Amino acid sequence: SQQGEEDPQALSIQEGENATMNCSYKTSINNLQWYRQNSGRGLVHLILIRSNEREKHSGRLRVTLDTSKKSSSLLITASRAADTASYFCATDGLAGAGGTSYGKLTFGQGTILTVHP
Amino acid sequence: ETGVTQTPRHLVMGMTNKKSLKCEQHLGHNAMYWYKQSAKKPLELMFVYSLEERVENNSVPSRFSPECPNSSHLFLHLHTLQPEDSALYLCASSQEGWNRGRYEQYFGPGTRLTVT
Repeated sequence: SQQGEEDPQALSIQEGENATMNCSYKTSINNLQWYRQNSGRGLVHLILIRSNEREKHSGRLRVTLDTSKKSSSLLITASRAADTASYFCATDGLAGAGGTSYGKLTFGQGTILTVHP
Repeated sequence: ETGVTQTPRHLVMGMTNKKSLKCEQHLGHNAMYWYKQSAKKPLELMFVYSLEERVENNSVPSRFSPECPNSSHLFLHLHTLQPEDSALYLCASSQEGWNRGRYEQYFGPGTRLTVT
């Protein structure tokens, strides 16, 4: 089973509407991140929320985290056509040894968001 | 521009060819990653290098061979690939340290690989 499953798989809305995407995960996490990917391009980091945080804002983005339910949501307010992309949540677990560590991210399958002008 | 570049952007190769993918990061990071993104599958972590040492190899077939000559460069050497290896290969980097608590990764634009 995979960590980080997004819901819905696809979302189609009109410009100006809000878009909400959900992510569920299975194991304990240090933090949860959301990334965006335009078609066929690399991922861009949007926001990181730590396991001891419940809500975080960044511009038109609002992320919530409920560790008791092992779920997170990403809300994009007042959507624009330029927000059309795939959105992924990624959970992390620390890995490595010898005094250093790196973020081992596990990604979900993503939500494809289409915003119609 | 994320500060991570990848070349080539597109690659078509036959199953008997040998090719290499290149990644370069200009962010001064100390960890680099290779991911594979196939259609209808989650992003798969392939390899991780931290301080130029491979720290993760996620059961990747030996026809994929990574190389990290320094902290800014990462290569993925490919040989005798299969058609199912066709995918978008993404490189990423991050600045890591002991228990730093933040691990956002910066991705390159990817190499679209087609194996014929």
